[in-house]
Amino acid sequence: DAKTTQPNSMESNEEEPVHLPCNHSTISGTDYIHWYRQLPSQGPEYVIHGLTSNVNNRMASLAIAEDRKSSTLILHRATLRDAAVYYCIRPRAGNMLTFGGGTRLMVKP
Amino acid sequence: EAGVTQFPSHSVIEKGQTVTLRCDPISGHDNLYWYRRVMGKEIKFLLHFVKESKQDESGMPNNRFLAERTGGTYSTLKVQPAELEDSGVYFCASSLGGTSGAETQYFGPGTRLLVL
Repeated sequence: DAKTTQPNSMESNEEEPVHLPCNHSTISGTDYIHWYRQLPSQGPEYVIHGLTSNVNNRMASLAIAEDRKSSTLILHRATLRDAAVYYCIRPRAGNMLTFGGGTRLMVKP
Repeated sequence: EAGVTQFPSHSVIEKGQTVTLRCDPISGHDNLYWYRRVMGKEIKFLLHFVKESKQDESGMPNNRFLAERTGGTYSTLKVQPAELEDSGVYFCASSLGGTSGAETQYFGPGTRLLVL
């Protein structure tokens, strides 16, 4: 079961940090955690992924709990262009992505 | 470097007609995936190619859908005959190689299909 659980929506103010949570309590030791986002009228876009350690890239940071049952995507300074649906995904066999409902992030100016 | 491209961007057809969607992956990417989002639902996996071979087609809804990847380059997804419930957005994605779970998939902009 590659299920993840995310809040349906979150709001943030522009220029402030955003912490998007994800629960994946049934994760196995070899499952990666990926985050993708989908901006309006576009295809999904890769954000970040990790296995055990916290990860940083130019877009975001990924904080993974020590027991790996949850993770948090961190946008350090939200901009209006970050308004999107964010998906926390555990790829299945063959790297197939299972998209749930995701978290709709709204950014207020 | 060009990203994943899809053609057409939009297609409006009548029920019973045939439509062929095309996806050009990033050059050198062995893995090619098709996904779709039907109205009001989540994005769902359809199938996965490794080069020209179908690795997993467990998400294909029925035998009206036929996917091919000639020569391991571009891929086509044909719907014949199209039904109303096939309306939605069809996404293609590609990744470099391997299926360890760490690979990044790059998505195209999607083809918006409307069956009337």
